[in-house]
Amino acid sequence: SAVISQKPSRDICQRGTSLTIQCQVDSQVTMMFWYRQQPGQSLTLIATANQGSEATYESGFVIDKFPISRPNLTFSTLTVSNMSPEDSSIYLCSAQGHNTGELFFGEGSRLTVL
Amino acid sequence: AQSVTQLDSQVPVFEEAPVELRCNYSSSVSVYLFWYVQYPNQGLQLLLKYLSGSTLVKGINGFEAEFNKSQTSFHLRKPSVHISDTAEYFCAVSDHLGFQKLVFGTGTRLLVSP
Repeated sequence: SAVISQKPSRDICQRGTSLTIQCQVDSQVTMMFWYRQQPGQSLTLIATANQGSEATYESGFVIDKFPISRPNLTFSTLTVSNMSPEDSSIYLCSAQGHNTGELFFGEGSRLTVL
Repeated sequence: AQSVTQLDSQVPVFEEAPVELRCNYSSSVSVYLFWYVQYPNQGLQLLLKYLSGSTLVKGINGFEAEFNKSQTSFHLRKPSVHISDTAEYFCAVSDHLGFQKLVFGTGTRLLVSP
């Protein structure tokens, strides 16, 4: 299994600012992902964080708005840029170790944009 | 493309009663199916998964689910629920095992009352 730590756990931000969320896994993992969970909704995959290269974004998400880094196998960051109230969500980091078929999730970062 | 439908947004039930949370999926290829639980203000935790083999899979906390290929369903069941089972339950599907890209349903809120 893998334990995933995210910080901040929550934050309140002003419109137009940017926030970087950090994700640390306690063991080496192959795949890392970032999901968004908007209020009262399900999880939507934002992107796959690739080690040492640009992230792979899903339809509707772009690098300029959600830049992602993954400098090594156990750490990734997601930045939410130029925030608006519509970005208020829970952002979840997830990771897969080996071929277990299981994704592990962090507790999420609850972001409120005023 | 895969999709997941959770027909019930909310399921109220009394403690010690049985419960079934419904999940239907669509996919043109072989699928891997998962149920995750999200307790208030927490991340997602894997309840159980179907990768192959027996169509009846047992998970944690007394939950089980049955994969029905002809019905394209993966309903979650528990014979006797506890107050502590109150949470949001997400069904998810993937057509990749190694590259774990999950598509989530909209979730079902299970409300257990005394």
